[in-house]
Amino acid sequence: EAQVTQNPRYLITVTGKKLTVTCSQNMNHEYMSWYRQDPGLGLRQIYYSMNVEVTDKGDVPEGYKVSRKEKRNFPLILESPSPNQTSLYFCASSWGGATQYFGPGTRLTVL
Amino acid sequence: GEDVEQSLFLSVREGDSSVINCTYTDSSSTYLYWYKQEPGAGLQLLTYIFSNMDMKQDQRLTVLLNKKDKHLSLRIADTQTGDSAIYFCAESIRQLTFGKGTKLSVIP
Repeated sequence: EAQVTQNPRYLITVTGKKLTVTCSQNMNHEYMSWYRQDPGLGLRQIYYSMNVEVTDKGDVPEGYKVSRKEKRNFPLILESPSPNQTSLYFCASSWGGATQYFGPGTRLTVL
Repeated sequence: GEDVEQSLFLSVREGDSSVINCTYTDSSSTYLYWYKQEPGAGLQLLTYIFSNMDMKQDQRLTVLLNKKDKHLSLRIADTQTGDSAIYFCAESIRQLTFGKGTKLSVIP
């Protein structure tokens, strides 16, 4: 089954404790991206990747890192999480940045 | 710059038609999309329309595109309670830009 998976689905952590949210897709898509969804703000893009080893900032990249060492994986790294990064995070993938398929979401709470 | 606007709430009675509207600013958008997000779930692609089309119909869904006014609408015929969700309009140039979402509530 074609899908985008994210782990974990739920995470509660404390300020400053490094964390990684994994994202994997099995559709051989070149394009992958991360979004955060906040009430009243909709979805905002954090980072995206056009292909392996090619990443670029989206609209709200501060406080986040990504890497794309393999085509299928695109982890989101928070080196020192802060409470303002409490949000619902979505990973997405597509062939060329157009029609995107979304993962189920990761709800992160930073205390 | 890219900006996508949509109203935040819409309430309709079961069996009526729902029309969700969206305006966008970038006329170079190649595709325009409608995504559906059910409570506690991710975004599901509902339908999309290529920018050189005026209309696209897919079962109960009708998408209308007015390029001159940069207006996109999604009509859901015979709205059911299972259609209750947040609907996001999105435009695609280099990347996807989403509206803030319209929460559709269907009254039984």
